[in-house]
Amino acid sequence: DTAVSQTPKYLVTQMGNDKSIKCEQNLGHDTMYWYKQDSKKFLKIMFSYNNKELIINETVPNRFSPKSPDKAHLNLHINSLELGDSAVYFCASSQDQRRGSQETQYFGPGTRLLVL
Amino acid sequence: KQEVTQIPAALSVPEGENLVLNCSFTDSAIYNLQWFRQDPGKGLTSLLLIQSSQREQTSGRLNASLDKSSGRSTLYIAASQPGDSATYLCAVRLAGNMLTFGGGTRLMVKP
Repeated sequence: DTAVSQTPKYLVTQMGNDKSIKCEQNLGHDTMYWYKQDSKKFLKIMFSYNNKELIINETVPNRFSPKSPDKAHLNLHINSLELGDSAVYFCASSQDQRRGSQETQYFGPGTRLLVL
Repeated sequence: KQEVTQIPAALSVPEGENLVLNCSFTDSAIYNLQWFRQDPGKGLTSLLLIQSSQREQTSGRLNASLDKSSGRSTLYIAASQPGDSATYLCAVRLAGNMLTFGGGTRLMVKP
């Protein structure tokens, strides 16, 4: 059973389109995250979200928005896609971080987005 | 602003060698530090997590150390195997659940 899953695995789209990437975790975790890994392989946090708090990395454009229909899902919506949005997007989850600093993050397999 | 640096960026060793990967961070006010492994085209797998109050963690052939005051961590891999070939990433956790990652070390273990 996959702990953290993402769909689609690959996404190729035109500039200006709006797209969504879905993430689901079956670990019963309280907190979910989205990360972006650019062409140079640098991983950067985009969002941290649990049912009470959304933390946004200040460098993330407001074209990106996380949406959580329930505790097990955190989808990433991207409006007006730009060439620079091409990257691999990783979803992750962890138990409620407020309970202590020992909780590791579990990552999904990634979604490879290519904007043409 | 927290910056995490990993040295070397790439490393190639023959099978059986012991090796050390280095990670440094600029802000010592961390909650914990994690080492991850990333295989090509795959997601990240957590290897070791060291709390800010700990000095080291061990798992099998892996040993990670943490010196918070100097902003350094090392990942020691004993008796390396070709299956250890991957990119190794260190990440530090600050307040707000955010992980800040280093650029990674690409390891190649040759048979």
